[in-house]
Amino acid sequence: AQSVTQLDSQVPVFEEAPVELRCNYSSSVSVYLFWYVQYPNQGLQLLLKYLSGSTLVESINGFEAEFNKSQTSFHLRKPSVHISDTAEYFCAVNPGGYQKVTFGTGTKLQVIP
Amino acid sequence: DVKVTQSSRYLVKRTGEKVFLECVQDMDHENMFWYRQDPGLGLRLIYFSYDVKMKEKGDIPEGYSVSREKKERFSLILESASTNQTSMYLCASRKDREGSPLHFGNGTRLTVT
Repeated sequence: AQSVTQLDSQVPVFEEAPVELRCNYSSSVSVYLFWYVQYPNQGLQLLLKYLSGSTLVESINGFEAEFNKSQTSFHLRKPSVHISDTAEYFCAVNPGGYQKVTFGTGTKLQVIP
Repeated sequence: DVKVTQSSRYLVKRTGEKVFLECVQDMDHENMFWYRQDPGLGLRLIYFSYDVKMKEKGDIPEGYSVSREKKERFSLILESASTNQTSMYLCASRKDREGSPLHFGNGTRLTVT
């Protein structure tokens, strides 16, 4: 069975500062990895995904995540955050060959003006 | 754009009532999922369906059942609602292809009194 750990439940950061949201996973098979974002009163939206190939993946709004197989991590980073990035972020893992997707407990990013 | 529509945004039911949560997707996706979201616990999978009339239990199926009579519609049923089922319920769908991302509805906030 797979699992996902997001160690930080809340991360406060000042506007224009960098941020890293941590995600570690465990799985006995190769995996596909995702970050989703949830803005207040909305469902989750895909932010970025790692399927194969380059270990660094980027989103259209400046976030990036790096797949590290040896450390079983998929941390999310942004070099300069905006107020509009305030949201909850979920890491998710989908083992290859399986339909089930497992989510972490989420990290609330609070951007302080 | 994929659209996943959940029939109710807010729902208030009494203990012991039978409750139906409806979800419809418009992109011919094979897979559909029901999650519940609780603070500090992230998203937990209740049931998923990989085809019409096919279903599999997720991590927390107790107290719930599902129905998928048509490809586009996936219903979650609370046979006898209890107060510990007060939660946000999220429906999602995706193509039956490895690594496909989930597409979420906006959620139904259910309160059982």
